[in-house]
Amino acid sequence: AQKITQTQPGMFVQEKEAVTLDCTYDTSDQSYGLFWYKQPSSGEMIFLIYQGSYDEQNATEGRYSLNFQKARKSANLVISASQLGDSAMYFCAMPMNTGFQKLVFGTGTRLLVSP
Amino acid sequence: DAGVTQSPTHLIKTRGQQVTLRCSPKSGHDTVSWYQQALGQGPQFIFQYYEEEERQRGNFPDRFSGHQFPNYSSELNVNALLLGDSALYLCASSVLGGNNQPQHFGDGTRLSIL
Repeated sequence: AQKITQTQPGMFVQEKEAVTLDCTYDTSDQSYGLFWYKQPSSGEMIFLIYQGSYDEQNATEGRYSLNFQKARKSANLVISASQLGDSAMYFCAMPMNTGFQKLVFGTGTRLLVSP
Repeated sequence: DAGVTQSPTHLIKTRGQQVTLRCSPKSGHDTVSWYQQALGQGPQFIFQYYEEEERQRGNFPDRFSGHQFPNYSSELNVNALLLGDSALYLCASSVLGGNNQPQHFGDGTRLSIL
């Protein structure tokens, strides 16, 4: 069964600096993917970025990028030039490879961006 | 283009009561999933509906049931509420396809059990 581990309960970063949020995973599947979601205090889960296991290059979406290392089974999220609005919970998630999209989430990392 | 909408936003119930939560998926989406998120935890998968049928189910008791309507909207029903059912309930919609299709979430319903 898939398992997601996020070991950083909280992270602090100053505005305009870059920050890396860690995510490690465990799966026996050969083909898989990783999602990152942002959850502000309002509760909505906002999709940020996706990486497939067979993608040759690390995914990037604006200020978000994935540092994907298959051998280490890690898919860390890098946020460049942090903004105050980036303060939120961040979740790493993996779909169960069952043909229907069931997501398994980590416990999340709370990011606080200070001025 | 409306995203995923959930109602109500907040709900307070007492133990033993029953509750119904509602979800309208993002336009063009045909699959609806429900998640329970306890305070300080990541969301836990409850079940998923496609073509008005429950396709997958997580590790939740039969007190949790659902329904999907022909317009793809969905309801989550919880019977015999327990204190431990207090949580944020998230609805997510997607297009049925490969596992690289991101699910889009609503703002959730915060359920408090007294």
